[in-house]
Amino acid sequence: DIVMTQSPDSLAVSLGERATINCKSSQSVLYSSNNKNYLAWYQQKPGQPPKLLIYWASTRESGVPDRFSGSGSGTDFTLTISSLQAEDVAVYYCQQYYSTRPFTFGPGTKVDIK
Amino acid sequence: QVQLQESGPGLVKPSETLSLTCTVSGGSISSYYWSWIRQPPGKGLEWIGYIYYSGSTNYNPSLKSRVTISLDTSKNQFSLKLSSVTAADTAVYYCASGRIDYGGNSLYFQHWGQGTLVTVSS
Repeated sequence: DIVMTQSPDSLAVSLGERATINCKSSQSVLYSSNNKNYLAWYQQKPGQPPKLLIYWASTRESGVPDRFSGSGSGTDFTLTISSLQAEDVAVYYCQQYYSTRPFTFGPGTKVDIK
Repeated sequence: QVQLQESGPGLVKPSETLSLTCTVSGGSISSYYWSWIRQPPGKGLEWIGYIYYSGSTNYNPSLKSRVTISLDTSKNQFSLKLSSVTAADTAVYYCASGRIDYGGNSLYFQHWGQGTLVTVSS
């Protein structure tokens, strides 16, 4: 299995400030034939299902605010919220889809308001 | 916009079989693959398995011996059966649609149902 880890476990950021979440995979999720990173980010607000934010490590899903951005390649990835809003309080998960045996998620990072 | 809705019993006895159905609307069932994912209370996400329109399936090896996912295209539904359940199977169960690339490979989960809590208890 590809093991996904995230750091920190939780963070508290002031409104309008930057939040940065890191995700690391136990092996590269970069597919050399198309130069794409098979990495997605999801946002889960309390009592709601996860919502797709970013795929291919850096492509925002339609309708996702541009304050959310993804970066990284290979085994190390970052989700950045450039200016935290109150509605961004949630748990954020990374997920690799490079290997389907099995798909795996990171443990999640909880983002709160300071 | 694809919409998904899970349905099924909220309480299952230990050693019995958990059965859930996901009803799909607003999208072609042949354009995605269809997956089940679960989340124990207060914990993270675990992928259970998926099925393609062709009927091809892929299961998490950790659950493979107990899982069956099937598809009913006439009803736009897909289903999950998990046998021999224990308290460890208590979770919110989500159905989700997954994008497929041009080569037919399974990608990220694009749409999710609201989830249904299944409790395993006698």
